Amino acid sequence: EAGVVQSPRYKIIEKKQPVAFWCNPISGHNTLYWYRQNLGQGPELLIRYENEEAVDDSQLPKDRFSAERLKGVDSTLKIQPAELGDSAVYLCASRPPGPHTEAFFGQGTRLTVV
Amino acid sequence: AQTVTQSQPEMSVQEAETVTLSCTYDTSENNYYLFWYKQPPSRQMILVIRQEAYKQQNATENRFSVNFQKAAKSFSLKISDSQLGDTAMYFCAFHSGTYKYIFGTGTRLKVLA
Repeated sequence: EAGVVQSPRYKIIEKKQPVAFWCNPISGHNTLYWYRQNLGQGPELLIRYENEEAVDDSQLPKDRFSAERLKGVDSTLKIQPAELGDSAVYLCASRPPGPHTEAFFGQGTRLTVV
Repeated sequence: AQTVTQSQPEMSVQEAETVTLSCTYDTSENNYYLFWYKQPPSRQMILVIRQEAYKQQNATENRFSVNFQKAAKSFSLKISDSQLGDTAMYFCAFHSGTYKYIFGTGTRLKVLA
């Protein structure tokens, strides 16, 4: 079974440029998460989807970040414009139905803003 | 709001020895799950072990076991017979009815040959 797939693995951009990350969750997983992990820190939630609905985006900086999950499957996370402080690893995770099932993570995208 | 605290930024252990990683959490909820995830240099978070709060019996997965103290809100991970492949970041995570995972700041574990 294929795991959570993210692309690209690495991205280097200049500040003020746009950037997008893509995530393909595990088939059948209705819950999808985007987390941001700063260096030496634990992941912090940006947004959670249940199917195609964003049910928790309270920590998404909406002035520059946007996300979508069309048809309740793949998801993209966009930053426009990027700032130096956005340098981090962006992790996507998915979870099957059930109240307390584990989340499965992708390998993340390491973003460097210069 | 729930919080997860890992007070050991780094730890090291000799190969074949036993090491315990600490985690404490704060919540007012009664029904929740706790997880330990491993993050090797490849960055992919891998589930190590999980514990349901309503179960008093500590979870065990091969060389990995937990000491879950619900009243003390403590959830430590014990790794027995440490192997070089256990070298990684270890994150404690809390999961409840809000369905989001709250992570600690992690413990970097290095297994020495």
